[in-house]
Amino acid sequence: GENVEQHPSTLSVQEGDSAVIKCTYSDSASNYFPWYKQELGKRPQLIIDIRSNVGEKKDQRIAVTLNKTAKHFSLHITETQPEDSAVYFCAAFLRFGAGTRLTVKP
Amino acid sequence: GAGVSQSPSNKVTEKGKDVELRCDPISGHTALYWYRQSLGQGLEFLIYFQGNSAPDKSGLPSDRFSAERTGGSVSTLTIQRTQQEDSAVYLCASSFYYGGQGSDQPQHFGDGTRLSIL
Repeated sequence: GENVEQHPSTLSVQEGDSAVIKCTYSDSASNYFPWYKQELGKRPQLIIDIRSNVGEKKDQRIAVTLNKTAKHFSLHITETQPEDSAVYFCAAFLRFGAGTRLTVKP
Repeated sequence: GAGVSQSPSNKVTEKGKDVELRCDPISGHTALYWYRQSLGQGLEFLIYFQGNSAPDKSGLPSDRFSAERTGGSVSTLTIQRTQQEDSAVYLCASSFYYGGQGSDQPQHFGDGTRLSIL
């Protein structure tokens, strides 16, 4: 089955800085790679996703890049704000990464 | 429109008892997923239903866990002879399915059932 690894487990940045979270997957058949944000006590919510036929997708301050050859994909958040503080999960097929706790310091 | 609904929101039970957790997916979503999230941890895949196909049960941790989906809509996750390590938040999600590889559409999550085993 699919195995997803996510790094780092925690990330602390200053407001306005960029944050990058990386994931690797094992199943070359995986073709859909979403990112979810989970605020404390809340449900996970999709923030951006990418399919295997593109290498990059951007939505305002958030972008995702995909390298199918290397089997890794990354989440990039620019101009971070305190409200970006949350746990972020990547996923491939039915498996989720362990999560990254992002803290944005004002 | 209504989102994914899970009930109960909280369940406290004694070790050894059976519990049933319910999930009502978004209308029109043919794919349904169950996950388990322990405190401060990630999402552990349990089971995946897609239409009338046989479910993917590869994530169920033991034979004490089972799930069914009636009429392609509501799903029930059953845990028999509960153990303290079963304590967690059980999340259900649903999505559309367009015939590609399973789980290739955004998942919409419910608020979860917080299960506590005494």
